Amino acid sequence: QVQLQESGPGLVKPSETLSLTCAVSGYSISSGFYWGWIRQPPGKGLEWIGSIYHSGNTYYNPSLKSRVTISVDTSKNQFSLKLSSVTAADTAVYYCARQPNLAVAGTDYFDDWGQGTLVTVSS
Amino acid sequence: QSALTQPASVSGSPGQSITISCTGTSSDVGGYNYVSWYQQHPGKAPKVKIYDVSKRPSGVSNRFSGSKSGNTASLTISGLQAEDEADYYCSSYTSSSNWVFGGGTKLTVV
Repeated sequence: QVQLQESGPGLVKPSETLSLTCAVSGYSISSGFYWGWIRQPPGKGLEWIGSIYHSGNTYYNPSLKSRVTISVDTSKNQFSLKLSSVTAADTAVYYCARQPNLAVAGTDYFDDWGQGTLVTVSS
Repeated sequence: QSALTQPASVSGSPGQSITISCTGTSSDVGGYNYVSWYQQHPGKAPKVKIYDVSKRPSGVSNRFSGSKSGNTASLTISGLQAEDEADYYCSSYTSSSNWVFGGGTKLTVV
């Protein structure tokens, strides 16, 4: 049973960089899935941020692309999110999730999610 | 990319059926059979209920079903139960190799 756990600072100052890590257990991050980040501002809907393959291939939401970097560390079985120049609008619960590799599996969805971590942007 | 369009809220009585729509464009919902639906209870992470338009993951009740016509996908929940009260989100793969979510629908079981 795969488990995902987000971690990182719960409070980030405006204009600084938000950094989160998703630790994966029960499954090798190198075993053919994509790994994604999704966020949810308080009281609002879900927004896909980006996804990464173990090879380092990434896809980013165009609206966030200039500020987002997602990386993977296969040795630690984890992947990370960096979001630069944050503002109050980036305050949200951030989730990490697993996705089948569409090109290989021919199927697409976010099948396992972490519990989420609230990041507040405030001075 | 714009969020997919869902009704803000729907309601139904126990035992009834409800349908939630999810409207996109030919670049997402209409162009691919990769629409998924997620249930989210307050304070919890989303859980997938339907994927690839109409497939159910193992363990999901057959009261949940999905379909698609043109640029609009639909989630139907039959035999409504109190535990179905939650927020529901659709998601679609897009022609830009991205993913987009709907704005969410609050289901109330009255």
